Amino acid sequence: DTGVSQDPRHKITKRGQNVTFRCDPISEHNRLYWYRQTLGQGPEFLTYFQNEAQLEKSRLLSDRFSAERPKGSFSTLEIQRTEQGDSAMYLCASSLKGRNTEAFFGQGTRLTVV
Amino acid sequence: GNSVTQMEGPVTLSEEAFLTINCTYTATGYPSLFWYVQYPGEGLQLLLKATKADDKGSNKGFEATYRKETTSFHLEKGSVQVSDSAVYFCALSNTGNQFYFGTGTSLTVIP
Repeated sequence: DTGVSQDPRHKITKRGQNVTFRCDPISEHNRLYWYRQTLGQGPEFLTYFQNEAQLEKSRLLSDRFSAERPKGSFSTLEIQRTEQGDSAMYLCASSLKGRNTEAFFGQGTRLTVV
Repeated sequence: GNSVTQMEGPVTLSEEAFLTINCTYTATGYPSLFWYVQYPGEGLQLLLKATKADDKGSNKGFEATYRKETTSFHLEKGSVQVSDSAVYFCALSNTGNQFYFGTGTSLTVIP
């Protein structure tokens, strides 16, 4: 297994366009997380899946953001009507179920909205 | 609620110097604690973890001890190398549903 994979690595889009990112977690991991990170800050939680169920969603996640994890495998994060403030690194992570398990992160998708 | 506070950076050290990066936390219950490292343009890599009070996590010469009485998880290394230059994040998880991160501490090691 090569770890958590994210695609694309970089995305430049015009304001108002929709974008979709994909995350492939480590195959046996049933938990999947999306985080956003801006320059000089720590990762900020967006949403969490256990298998295909989206169990937690940050209040910071506006209705322009939607995430899915069909069949409990890969996940997608879509941002509609992008704004310049959406420019950030979007990180995906996965983990095994359990209280003490660590999360494994992908390399992230850097989004630039122009 | 759950939160993590890290010492402000950036930190600049000479090679072979001693490193301490402070981390304190607020949490309900008994969280697991983690240190992650991030190299430029990359995602986060787990450096070490501790899951209960008085546990010591260690990896690649880095160590951190879970101190419940002081709610701290300070990162230490006895002799840093240039290759240790990166951003370090302290994090906690209570139920596994979410990881809470500090703001990160940037470390630069100069030869």
